[in-house]
Amino acid sequence: DTGVSQDPRHKITKRGQNVTFRCDPISEHNRLYWYRQTLGQGPEFLTYFQNEAQLEKSRLLSDRFSAERPKGSFSTLEIQRTEQGDSAMYLCASSLEGGLRTEAFFGQGTRLTVV
Amino acid sequence: DQQVKQNSPSLSVQEGRISILNCDYTNSMFDYFLWYKKYPAEGPTFLISISSIKDKNEDGRFTVFLNKSAKHLSLHIVPSQPGDSAVYFCAAQSNNNDMRFGAGTRLTVKP
Repeated sequence: DTGVSQDPRHKITKRGQNVTFRCDPISEHNRLYWYRQTLGQGPEFLTYFQNEAQLEKSRLLSDRFSAERPKGSFSTLEIQRTEQGDSAMYLCASSLEGGLRTEAFFGQGTRLTVV
Repeated sequence: DQQVKQNSPSLSVQEGRISILNCDYTNSMFDYFLWYKKYPAEGPTFLISISSIKDKNEDGRFTVFLNKSAKHLSLHIVPSQPGDSAVYFCAAQSNNNDMRFGAGTRLTVKP
């Protein structure tokens, strides 16, 4: 297993277009997170899944954002009607949550530029 | 609501000296703390963690200290090496909850 994989690495889109990002977590990991990071800031939590269940969504996740993890494996994050303020690095992380806490492993991120 | 704060945006130290990165949190429900390291154009990489039942965890050159009463943790790197130059993020987690990150501290280790 090569770790958390995100696709695409870079995306440039015109304002108003829809975009979809994919995240493939580490195969045995049951928890999957989405974060957004802008310049000079730490990762901001967007949402997370425990298996296929979406357990929490940040208020940053407006109704233009939707995330799915249909089979408890890979996840997609879709942004509809993109705005320039959506330009950021979108990070996915996964972890194995059980009785003990474990660290989350991050992918390399998808950098979105809305022009 | 910034529940995890890293008040120093940057830190510069000489190679061989100690680097001390600080982090404060406000949510008393946090019980697991992590440090991540990030290079440009890469995702954060896990470095070291500590549970709230401990006050110190050590891994090679890296040691994390936790002061629960002060809601403060710190990462010590000794001796610092030029390859340690990166942005360091502090993160905190509560039971059945997401991770919250600080804004990061950019560490520069000068040869």
